[in-house]
Amino acid sequence: AQTVTQSQPEMSVQEAETVTLSCTYDTSENNYYLFWYKQPPSRQMILVIRQEAYKQQNATENRFSVNFQKAAKSFSLKISDSQLGDTAMYFCAFFYGQNFVFGPGTRLSVLP
Amino acid sequence: DTGVSQDPRHKITKRGQNVTFRCDPISEHNRLYWYRQTLGQGPEFLTYFQNEAQLEKSRLLSDRFSAERPKGSFSTLEIQRTEQGDSAMYLCASRSIDRGTETQYFGPGTRLLVL
Repeated sequence: AQTVTQSQPEMSVQEAETVTLSCTYDTSENNYYLFWYKQPPSRQMILVIRQEAYKQQNATENRFSVNFQKAAKSFSLKISDSQLGDTAMYFCAFFYGQNFVFGPGTRLSVLP
Repeated sequence: DTGVSQDPRHKITKRGQNVTFRCDPISEHNRLYWYRQTLGQGPEFLTYFQNEAQLEKSRLLSDRFSAERPKGSFSTLEIQRTEQGDSAMYLCASRSIDRGTETQYFGPGTRLLVL
């Protein structure tokens, strides 16, 4: 069974600084997808970024980028130029077949 | 495109009562998922549908839980004889079956409190 681990329950960063959230996963599969979702306080979960495992190039979306290390089964999220609106729970998720498995989340606070 | 919607957004009930939640997915999405999320945790998979067929159920889905998607559009999740441990956020998500569209889109959730 696949598992997703996020070892940082809480993190904080100063506005305009850069922060990296960690995620590791365990799977025996070769072709899968990885996601980072953001869940702001009392608001719905939205997609931040996705990565296909067969692609070596790391995905980027504006201020968000990932460091995908397939051999190490690591999928970290870097947020550059942090903004107050980035304050949220961040969930790392693994997808293979029909199953999505989510990590426990990291609560990120962006401080003014 | 109005996104995934869920109704109600909040539900307070007494232990032993039955509750039913509704999810309306994005219209062209044929896969629909239900998750449960407790405070401070990530979503846990409950079940999913492809069109009207329920293809997989988690062990978390006890006999008191039932889900339907009768016409392949909206879905309902019913919890019978609710227990305090059922208190959680119930999330619905949908996605297209087409390759390259593995992304799930989530609704705002229904927060259930069982007293």
